[in-house]
Amino acid sequence: EVQLVQSGAEVRMAGESLRISCKGSGYSFTTYWIGWVRQMPGKGLDWVGIINSGDSETRYSPSFEGQVLISVDKSINTAYLHWGTLRASDTAMYYCARVRKTGAKPVGSWDFWGQGTLVTVST
Amino acid sequence: QSVLTQPPSVSGTPGQRVSISCSGSSSNIGTNAVNWYQQIPGTAPKLLIYSNTQRPSGVPDRFSGSKSGTSASLAIGGLQSEDEADYYCATWDDSLNGPVFGGGAKLTVL
Repeated sequence: EVQLVQSGAEVRMAGESLRISCKGSGYSFTTYWIGWVRQMPGKGLDWVGIINSGDSETRYSPSFEGQVLISVDKSINTAYLHWGTLRASDTAMYYCARVRKTGAKPVGSWDFWGQGTLVTVST
Repeated sequence: QSVLTQPPSVSGTPGQRVSISCSGSSSNIGTNAVNWYQQIPGTAPKLLIYSNTQRPSGVPDRFSGSKSGTSASLAIGGLQSEDEADYYCATWDDSLNGPVFGGGAKLTVL
């Protein structure tokens, strides 16, 4: 059974750093990309970035470029989303999902999703 | 402002058929396959339709997708109360070189 399990809710102060995780199981982890989206309270899905779990090739949304870092540790089938300096506006639910490929490009559907990690940043 | 345009809300009565539109451009829907996601309040999104018209295992055939040119549509037949959710369209954008999502459509079953 394919599963993506995310780390638990986090509360931080503005200016602090944070890393949340997404662990895949039940499939060949390195043959898929992992994508991240943000969902602010009461709002829609915003693409953050995607990473190739096999070779760590990463692409970021222009809205998030330079604000977050996405990485992967394929030895433990885990992807990460990292903030160096949190802001109150980062308060949101963050979801990871497995991304299907067409050929080598991650243009397919996001077919399995994690349960979400709620990040709360206080000032 | 989302790259893909969806109506913010749609509604219908039990048993009715409703459709949700998704409008894009030549760099996204015009070139790439469209996927649809269902998000029941308080839960993670779930893949509902992939590759324009395909249903993952376990998705009822009341849900169907279509695409024409730079627009796509999700249809839900035999509406049920448990279909109340937010529905998002998504695809790849060749100009952005990344995925794009619609703003989401909230379905209310009256």
